[in-house]
Parts: sequence; C-alpha cells; structure tokens
Amino acid sequence: SAVISQKPSRDICQRGTSLTIQCQVDSQVTMMFWYRQQPGQSLTLIATANQGSEATYESGFVIDKFPISRPNLTFSTLTVSNMSPEDSSIYLCSVYRDSGNTIYFGEGSWLTVV
Amino acid sequence: AQSVSQHNHHVILSEAASLELGCNYSYGGTVNLFWYVQYPGQHLQLLLKYFSGDPLVKGIKGFEAEFIKSKFSFNLRKPSVQWSDTAEYFCAVNVNSGGYQKVTFGTGTKLQVIP
Repeated sequence: SAVISQKPSRDICQRGTSLTIQCQVDSQVTMMFWYRQQPGQSLTLIATANQGSEATYESGFVIDKFPISRPNLTFSTLTVSNMSPEDSSIYLCSVYRDSGNTIYFGEGSWLTVV
Repeated sequence: AQSVSQHNHHVILSEAASLELGCNYSYGGTVNLFWYVQYPGQHLQLLLKYFSGDPLVKGIKGFEAEFIKSKFSFNLRKPSVQWSDTAEYFCAVNVNSGGYQKVTFGTGTKLQVIP
C-alpha cells in the first residue's frame, strides 16, 4: 500500500483567494494525480502531475486555475486559484503503484469557499 | 476515451439481502478494473481490483466482482450485506495509454442497508 498525506485536510476560504494543497507520499511513485469530488458527485480527474514537467490537464481544467507542481517523485502541490463557491469540493491526491497495479488515495482536502 | 457507467444511483437493502451493483465500461483495449468504497466522512478505499487472470476476483469484507469481457462489465456482488456496508461504491477503469495511466470513475452508487 501507499501512505499519502494531504494538507490541509479542511479549510474555509474567502472568495477570490488561492489555496495550495500539498500531497506527500511515503515512497517514490511514478504517477500522481489530482481529483475533485464535488458534493454528491463522483470523482473527476483534474490532471496528472508529471515530475519535472508541466502537468497534463483533463478537458475543462486549465493550468491558470489549477497550477500543479511536482518537484520530485514523492511530493506534489495543487493550487486552486481565484476561488469561487463553485470550487467548494474535496480535492484528492492519488498515486499509481506499478507493483500491484493499484491507485491509492489520500484522505482528501475539504475546501469550502465563502 | 474510456467511460464508466454505474446503473444504480441509490440502492436500499435490508440486512442479509444479496447485493449486486452494475458497472459497465467502454474501451476497446486492455483495462484494469477497480471497485472503491467510501464510507461516510472517510476517504476512498480499494475493495478489489482486476487486471488479469481469473475473471472472478475476491476483495475485502466478503465482496467479489466478475469481469465479463464480452459484456464490458465488472459487477460487484456480496451474498449477504450488513449495516456496516452502508457507503458509496465507485467503479473505476484504468487505461494505460501511451505510457500514461488514466483512471476514470463511475458516478457512484449509494448503498443504504437497513438493520
């Protein structure tokens, strides 16, 4: 398994501000992802965090709104920029382990924008 | 692009009833398939997965799922549910495309088990 730590676990943010979420994994992983789970909905992939290069964003998500960093194989950050109430969601970091072919998830960061 | 359909959005069962949650995916190539569970207020946990071999896979807590390639299905089953199985269940498909892994989730099925 993989131990994934996300910070913050919860936050209440003011409209128009930005917040950076950190994801730390207990060992090196090839693939790291960021998902969003809006209230009552399923998980939507925001982007794949690539080590040493720009993240790969899914349709509907852009770098200006969700800049992502991945400086090494165990750490990534997701910033939610210029937040609006529609950004209120759980943001999840996940990693893919080649051994076991499994995706693991962090506990999520619950953001509320007021 | 792959997609995942979960047909049941909300299922209500009495304890000891049998459970089957449907999951169909669309993708023409090789896939890995997963079922995840999310208990109220908790994070996602892996129930079981399939990536090759025996199409009937057994997971934790008495759950199992059967991969039927011809039907593009990966239905989740449990012979006798318990109140503690009340949760949301997500089916997911992982595709390896050009060296990138991409996991797509279904919309989820909320299971409510009545004591």
